[in-house]
Amino acid sequence: DAKTTQPNSMESNEEEPVHLPCNHSTISGTDYIHWYRQLPSQGPEYVIHGLTSNVNNRMASLAIAEDRKSSTLILHRATLRDAAVYYCILEGRGEGGSEKLVFGKGTKLTVNP
Amino acid sequence: EPEVTQTPSHQVTQMGQEVILRCVPISNHLYFYWYRQILGQKVEFLVSFYNNEISEKSEIFDDQFSVERPDGSNFTLKIRSTKLEDSAMYFCASSPYLGGKLFFGSGTQLSVL
Repeated sequence: DAKTTQPNSMESNEEEPVHLPCNHSTISGTDYIHWYRQLPSQGPEYVIHGLTSNVNNRMASLAIAEDRKSSTLILHRATLRDAAVYYCILEGRGEGGSEKLVFGKGTKLTVNP
Repeated sequence: EPEVTQTPSHQVTQMGQEVILRCVPISNHLYFYWYRQILGQKVEFLVSFYNNEISEKSEIFDDQFSVERPDGSNFTLKIRSTKLEDSAMYFCASSPYLGGKLFFGSGTQLSVL
């Protein structure tokens, strides 16, 4: 499984933007970049995913580097409810690719009031 | 928004006993998954299920584990003879198509005594 590297933890203040980085230097051309988050005592929750172009949805934006070796999840205005562990996951769809998502340790985001 | 439902939320059992964890995936989803998370550790993939058969399983998913979709709505995980190390939060997930976003349930906390 292609690996990702994320900081163990980050802090932000409420109502400020948050940029969560992820490195995936071994990404292959058919790997999708997924972001999930896990709030305390809950199951993982889908945030966003993309392949090459930047993506926006109501929860966040995903900025993907031109060489695709890194990406950044952007929360435009952090709220206390955004405090969670954020996982950056590569999903391979090419030949031999797996349909499962492999979770790493993620980044624990703390949001200060 | 539709959601994946898991029951029970907590299950306590004695070592060596059989347990069945139940999940109701989102209607019209086709891909089903079980993950588990031991306290303080990563979310780990156990098994994926499509078209009434296992499509992929991890090393954790040994002969003590089985999955079933008995009636077209429920999706169950059975552990035949539980061990202490099976104590974990078990998450069910479903997806409408391969590579689609996964919808996770809120989990069943299994405690093996």
